[in-house]
Amino acid sequence: ETGVTQTPRHLVMGMTNKKSLKCEQHLGHNAMYWYKQSAKKPLELMFVYSLEERVENNSVPSRFSPECPNSSHLFLHLHTLQPEDSALYLCASSQEGASYGYTFGSGTRLTVV
Amino acid sequence: RKEVEQDPGPFNVPEGATVAFNCTYSNSASQSFFWYRQDCRKEPKLLMSVYSSGNEDGRFTAQLNRASQYISLLIRDSKLSDSATYLCVVLRGSSASKIIFGSGTRLSIRP
Repeated sequence: ETGVTQTPRHLVMGMTNKKSLKCEQHLGHNAMYWYKQSAKKPLELMFVYSLEERVENNSVPSRFSPECPNSSHLFLHLHTLQPEDSALYLCASSQEGASYGYTFGSGTRLTVV
Repeated sequence: RKEVEQDPGPFNVPEGATVAFNCTYSNSASQSFFWYRQDCRKEPKLLMSVYSSGNEDGRFTAQLNRASQYISLLIRDSKLSDSATYLCVVLRGSSASKIIFGSGTRLSIRP
């Protein structure tokens, strides 16, 4: 257990479904991130929240919608996804500045059918 | 050119061998450096930070060369359990959003 918990671990959804990924950290960090990792590709930064404010949105399609209600929780709301969105979605947290690196959650493996 | 570049491998070495990976970065303002390890279908985990003077943690040695803008990871007496993908990570500013991951180097240790 890393201190960053993601649920669900696996998710299969149809293209017309709406689902949400949840991330919770118990490390007292004040920055949280969503990353996407597709097969044989590097990690792609999607969103950054620092002190509960979104500070970066890396041109992510609007079918992905993040929410950060407090410094310990982060959500990724999904709707009308495409098959190419199938990937491992990783949540991470750090102290602001990330000078001590990130701690990742175990990820949600998403399959869009 | 990618901001952080790694040889993708795979490196296939026998158990007990010494193996080294390099990683180059393009932004001279980069401040902090890390090596992460990612097992197949798992999340990346911090292996070690990389300090300017070089640092060692058991069989693992990390070094930083700011002049040539590269970092390295040396693994001595490799074990089967060292098989994984090793990610080079560079923090190029003081903001939480300025951390850049390399594509990773795949290492396979054979018996």
